[in-house]
Amino acid sequence: AQKITQTQPGMFVQEKEAVTLDCTYDTSDQSYGLFWYKQPSSGEMIFLIYQGSYDEQNATEGRYSLNFQKARKSANLVISASQLGDSAMYFCAMTGTDSWGKLQFGAGTQVVVTP
Amino acid sequence: DAGVTQSPTHLIKTRGQQVTLRCSPKSGHDTVSWYQQALGQGPQFIFQYYEEEERQRGNFPDRFSGHQFPNYSSELNVNALLLGDSALYLCASSLVKWDEQFFGPGTRLTVL
Repeated sequence: AQKITQTQPGMFVQEKEAVTLDCTYDTSDQSYGLFWYKQPSSGEMIFLIYQGSYDEQNATEGRYSLNFQKARKSANLVISASQLGDSAMYFCAMTGTDSWGKLQFGAGTQVVVTP
Repeated sequence: DAGVTQSPTHLIKTRGQQVTLRCSPKSGHDTVSWYQQALGQGPQFIFQYYEEEERQRGNFPDRFSGHQFPNYSSELNVNALLLGDSALYLCASSLVKWDEQFFGPGTRLTVL
């Protein structure tokens, strides 16, 4: 069984500042994948970044980077230089060997970017 | 290149009725997954279809069923609707089961 925990229900961040969203996970799978998705108020889930459990380097995609600490089972998302359009719900998710393609989502973190 | 599309956008039903939601995957994708997202919660996996067969299933009752067609599009059927079935239903497609999943805009179902 897999479990994703996001402990920050909501946070405010000022424009142009960096923000870190916490995500911890639990799994017995040796091979797994970690994802971050953004969900604006419109409802569509937008893929941001992916980290494989065997990837030695932290994933980066533009202003998004994933701080992967395997021993601590954490996969925090860092958004640099926040923009007003970053205001949304952010979900951490994972999939593993025993459930290939089945995404297990956390409860999400609501981010509000202020001018 | 069209992304994942879902229809209808919104739907209102009454308890006990049946509903069918539709999903067309992103061009070239062969796997479709369905998720239920209740208000204020993360999406919950319902099931996944690949090669026209249900490959994985989440913790949902048999009232939830699906189908995948030869063109990879998919339907989600829910019978005997309950008030608790009110949610945003998201469809996601991928090239293989393991790959990044692209989500559609969702269908918002309201059960009265």
